[in-house]
Amino acid sequence: SQTIHQWPATLVQPVGSPLSLECTVEGTSNPNLYWYRQAAGRGLQLLFYSVGIGQISSEVPQNLSASRPQDRQFILSSKKLLLSDSGFYLCAWMSRETHTQYFGPGTRLTVL
Amino acid sequence: KNQVEQSPQSLIILEGKNCTLQCNYTVSPFSNLRWYKQDTGRGPVSLTIMTFSENTKSNGRYTATLDADTKQSSLHITASQLSDSASYICVVSGYPYNQGGKLIFGQGTELSVKP
Repeated sequence: SQTIHQWPATLVQPVGSPLSLECTVEGTSNPNLYWYRQAAGRGLQLLFYSVGIGQISSEVPQNLSASRPQDRQFILSSKKLLLSDSGFYLCAWMSRETHTQYFGPGTRLTVL
Repeated sequence: KNQVEQSPQSLIILEGKNCTLQCNYTVSPFSNLRWYKQDTGRGPVSLTIMTFSENTKSNGRYTATLDADTKQSSLHITASQLSDSASYICVVSGYPYNQGGKLIFGQGTELSVKP
């Protein structure tokens, strides 16, 4: 069966510090991968998606970046965090068979 | 512009009662529609998925309907339980898998079931 992992679960960072969130998927190969952000009381905002290794599409211009160094690894990064980067970050993978997206447990990021 | 709108924004019901959540979408081309349940502080979990040729799909006490002509969907919850308290998100897909498979999310309906 497929499993998706995200870490860390929670993170508190000062403004201007770097960020690295990691997401890995088990039990599937060459999945589409996604990074979302959810602000408090708001809907999900797609940040990046990837259809293959090294292939990244950005949905929203911002100070965040994403990379996919391996087939089942997706990393979200920032060189300098802003207060507005606070939120709940979700990684997801899409099943090629069912076209359903399966979400990870999320990372709660607070920028102070 | 591709959009998904849900109503009501929030809903409070008593345990054991039924409720219906609404979703209207303007997504073209349309591929499929899903309902997700998101517990507080957790990632969303898929409840149902329907293509344009399906007009109803059940998953236990959850029943989703789809009217592709009017571009409306509903999620009916029967005999609600305290554990049904969550945000219910309507999601529409208009992008093929090999073009990214991007989804368009509604803002969600916050359901609170009270004892």
